Amino acid sequence: AQTVTQSQPEMSVQEAETVTLSCTYDTSESDYYLFWYKQPPSRQMILVIRQEAYKQQNATENRFSVNFQKAAKSFSLKISDSQLGDAAMYFCAYSNGNKLVFGAGTILRVKS
Amino acid sequence: DSGVTQTPKHLITATGQRVTLRCSPRSGDLSVYWYQQSLDQGLQFLIQYYNGEERAKGNILERFSAQQFPDLHSELNLSSLELGDSALYFCASSPGGTGISPLHFGNGTRLTVT
Repeated sequence: AQTVTQSQPEMSVQEAETVTLSCTYDTSESDYYLFWYKQPPSRQMILVIRQEAYKQQNATENRFSVNFQKAAKSFSLKISDSQLGDAAMYFCAYSNGNKLVFGAGTILRVKS
Repeated sequence: DSGVTQTPKHLITATGQRVTLRCSPRSGDLSVYWYQQSLDQGLQFLIQYYNGEERAKGNILERFSAQQFPDLHSELNLSSLELGDSALYFCASSPGGTGISPLHFGNGTRLTVT
């Protein structure tokens, strides 16, 4: 079974600084999809970024980018120029085309 | 706004009772997924329906059941409720039957069992 591990229960970053959230996964599949979702205090789940495993180029969405290391099964999220609105729980998720499996999440706190 | 509608937003009930959570997917989406998020926990996949048929099953208890209707809305039925069933229940939808497309989540139904 596929598993997703987020080893950082909580992270802090100063406003305008950069922070990286870690995620590793375990799979025997060669084709799959990885996602980062954000859950602010409102508890709504918001898609941040998506990466297809067959693509070598790392995905970017404005201030959000990933470092996808397929051999190492690592999928970290980098947030640049952190803003107060980035404070949330961040979930890494894996899909092989069937169900979406989530990690336990990382709470990100942004200090002003 | 994700386009996924969940009702009710909040539900408070007693142990042993039965409740029904409702989800309307985004227009055009054929798949509906149900997830459970307990306090300060990650999301646990319960079940997926695609165009009316059960597609995948996760850690769904036998006391729980779901269905997807011809108009594609879905209902999650929780029976013989226990205190540990208190959680936020999310519905999500996607266009196809696979998890390739990103899921669009509703705002969740917060269930409190007393």
